[in-house]
Amino acid sequence: NAGVTQTPKFQVLKTGQSMTLQCAQDMNHEYMSWYRQDPGMGLRLIHYSVGAGITDQGEVPNGYNVSRSTTEDFPLRLLSAAPSQTSVYFCASSYLVKETQYFGPGTRLLVL
Amino acid sequence: GQNIDQPTEMTATEGAIVQINCTYQTSGFNGLFWYQQHAGEAPTFLSYNVLDGLEEKGRFSSFLSRSKGYSYLLLKELQMKDSASYLCAVRVRSGSARQLTFGSGTQLTVLP
Repeated sequence: NAGVTQTPKFQVLKTGQSMTLQCAQDMNHEYMSWYRQDPGMGLRLIHYSVGAGITDQGEVPNGYNVSRSTTEDFPLRLLSAAPSQTSVYFCASSYLVKETQYFGPGTRLLVL
Repeated sequence: GQNIDQPTEMTATEGAIVQINCTYQTSGFNGLFWYQQHAGEAPTFLSYNVLDGLEEKGRFSSFLSRSKGYSYLLLKELQMKDSASYLCAVRVRSGSARQLTFGSGTQLTVLP
């Protein structure tokens, strides 16, 4: 199993550009989520999904969209990048009835 | 909302024991997790408590008191590789879903 994979590893954007961060898992997990991690602020939940076709907002959803068309994939879209979205983004997945979340390696995003 | 507090930094000596505390105020409590995160890497799962008491796993133990909103992570026989950030996370029930809220993390430095 590859576990949770994320692409790209690094990205530089200009303000106003859009892009999609990719996340995939091969463990047949129902639950997938996106977090951002900023210095001194811990991990904050952006969006999550409890299964294909079902998504919901987390703590900091503004400026981000998600979709879940398959169990495996959970892309995060930045509609119009802003410098405040400079962060490290982690995707995570787990079974609904089990506790452990598995994190991807992260995407480092810099918005100029 | 959720409020999770843990110390920002701790320092300990190789071979010693260190206790990292976490206090939380939340509604809909559904479990407490500890994750380890090395610099530049993804968080990895360490422990999970949902009932009061101590869970032991090798050199690491985690304790929970739900009535006090308190948990600690105990690391024994410290090794240099234990230098990392330790994240306390509380899972809460939100409708049909369960969400993780993370503390800001405790940066542990192990000195020779």
